[in-house]
Amino acid sequence: QVQLQESGPGLVKPSETLSLTCTVSGGSISSYYWSWIRQPPGKGLEWIGYIYYSGSTNYNPSLKSRVTISVDTSKNQFSLKLSSVTAADTAVYYCAGGIVGGDYYYMDVWGKGTTVTVSS
Amino acid sequence: NFMLTQPHSVSESPGKTVTISCTRSSGSIASNYVQWYQQRPGSAPTTVIYEDNQRPSGVPDRFSGSIDSSSNSASLTISGLKTEDEADYYCQSYDSSNPVVFGGGTKLTVL
Repeated sequence: QVQLQESGPGLVKPSETLSLTCTVSGGSISSYYWSWIRQPPGKGLEWIGYIYYSGSTNYNPSLKSRVTISVDTSKNQFSLKLSSVTAADTAVYYCAGGIVGGDYYYMDVWGKGTTVTVSS
Repeated sequence: NFMLTQPHSVSESPGKTVTISCTRSSGSIASNYVQWYQQRPGSAPTTVIYEDNQRPSGVPDRFSGSIDSSSNSASLTISGLKTEDEADYYCQSYDSSNPVVFGGGTKLTVL
């Protein structure tokens, strides 16, 4: 059974870059399209983007200018970088494994999430 | 682009049946699969329905999903409600310009 674990700093200063890594265990990095999703305190879910092990990516248009998702197949990890953060980027960040079809995408497995606070 | 609209909250008694709706603002609900995720307080989401009406292994058959083209909506129905079903539920579908569209979430209270 695939398991996911997010890691990274819990506190980031405004205007800096948020960096998180998700480690995949119990399965192959080629098993899924790997997503990042976030949830601001008390609010709903927002999809950030996904990557395939080949390096192919797809981003939420509302965040695209600030987001980079990358994959390291040798370490079974994928990563998120979000630049120029503000307090509005404070959220729980989840990594997830998703299934892609011609006209669908959905999450199959989720990490436990990690809280990131943007504050000086 | 489209939006998915869910009721903010629903409540029902243990043992009863509840249905949560998810209405698509434009385009046909039948055009793209709908998924449902359960998020218990303080926990990560988990998938309870995928591809409109399929249950992942381990999800009890008290959970079922359907779509209704006449109302352009999807529904999650939970029968034989248990207190452990109390959670937030999110629907999700696909848009070619933004592959993952979430509904705003529905808080289910089992009282």
